[in-house]
Amino acid sequence: EAGVAQSPRYKIIEKRQSVAFWCNPISGHATLYWYQQILGQGPKLLIQFQNNGVVDDSQLPKDRFSAERLKGVDSTLKIQPAKLEDSAVYLCASSIGQGGYNEQFFGPGTRLTVL
Amino acid sequence: AQKITQTQPGMFVQEKEAVTLDCTYDTSDQSYGLFWYKQPSSGEMIFLIYQGSYDEQNATEGRYSLNFQKARKSANLVISASQLGDSAMYFCAMREGLENNRLAFGKGNQVVVIP
Repeated sequence: EAGVAQSPRYKIIEKRQSVAFWCNPISGHATLYWYQQILGQGPKLLIQFQNNGVVDDSQLPKDRFSAERLKGVDSTLKIQPAKLEDSAVYLCASSIGQGGYNEQFFGPGTRLTVL
Repeated sequence: AQKITQTQPGMFVQEKEAVTLDCTYDTSDQSYGLFWYKQPSSGEMIFLIYQGSYDEQNATEGRYSLNFQKARKSANLVISASQLGDSAMYFCAMREGLENNRLAFGKGNQVVVIP
């Protein structure tokens, strides 16, 4: 079974530029998550989708971050414009569903450096 | 307020020895779940073990066991017979309630296994 795929693996941009990350979850997984992991910290949930609807985006900086999950499968996360403090690893995860016990499977992450 | 606290400094452990990683949590929910994830230097988050708040037995998965002390709100991970491949960051996480799968992560524990 293929795991969660993410691209690109690495991205370097200058501040005020835009960047987009892509995630393909495990087939059949209805719930998709985007996490931000700043160096030295644990991942922080940015947004959670159930199929193509947003379940939780309370920690998403909506003035610069946006995410979509068209057709309830792949997802993109965009930052526009980027700031220095956005330098982090962006992890995508998926699970079969939400509620109760549903193990989250993580992708390899995209490491973003903002100069 | 921090939901998950992991305060141990980086740990060195001898190969084949056991190591205990501390995790305390804060919640007012009666139903919650506790997870441990491993993050090697390659960056992916690997699920290790899960403990539900109503589980009476401590969870075990191979060389991993969870020492769950509900009254003290602690969920320590024990890795027995350490191997060189266990060198990684270890994150404790909590899911609150039954209706969503949002995870709150701690800051992690660094473990280095030495031969």
